[in-house]
Amino acid sequence: LAKTTQPISMDSYEGQEVNITCSHNNIATNDYITWYQQFPSQGPRFIIQGYKTKVTNEVASLFIPADRKSSTLSLPRVSLSDTAVYYCLAPGGKLIFGQGTELSVKP
Amino acid sequence: DAGITQSPRHKVTETGTPVTLRCHQTENHRYMYWYRQDPGHGLRLIHYSYGVKDTDKGEVSDGYSVSRSKTEDFLLTLESATSSQTSVYFCAISESPTPFGTEAFFGQGTRLTVV
Repeated sequence: LAKTTQPISMDSYEGQEVNITCSHNNIATNDYITWYQQFPSQGPRFIIQGYKTKVTNEVASLFIPADRKSSTLSLPRVSLSDTAVYYCLAPGGKLIFGQGTELSVKP
Repeated sequence: DAGITQSPRHKVTETGTPVTLRCHQTENHRYMYWYRQDPGHGLRLIHYSYGVKDTDKGEVSDGYSVSRSKTEDFLLTLESATSSQTSVYFCAISESPTPFGTEAFFGQGTRLTVV
């Protein structure tokens, strides 16, 4: 089971780009890397996933280097509404979430 | 939004009483999960199901049991509630156990208080 490690918390200001890095040293060959976002008092929601290189959608970008031992979630020009907890998963069989990264966006 | 309903949404119960939380889905997804969320611990997997009558333990399964007699319902039971089980419980569904091109959808949560 791939164990992920990410920072417990991060601070940012509105309009900045935020990059959250997750390490997953023993990720399995077939596993995708998935990121979820959770707002207070809500369940997590899927935001992006990828296998290698770069994936971009309307919410974020995900960068995965060739060795796949880490990944970086990039949030462009964050706003106050991006304040949330962000989870990195490399499941390997079970949806294990861990503590996530608590992102606080300030005005 | 995915069709997931958790009931009840809030419950207060006394120590030592049995409690059952229900997760109902209308998506016909094969996999269902129960999590608990506590400050400082993130989201922890309690039990999950990969089909009718097929369940397995997660990270923190002690004190909890589950049942799935129909595809659409996944029940979480606390046989004898304790104060340490005061938490917010989330149910989730997915089409596969690992997101090979799929994603998990979460319910709105159930806030359980054991006094």
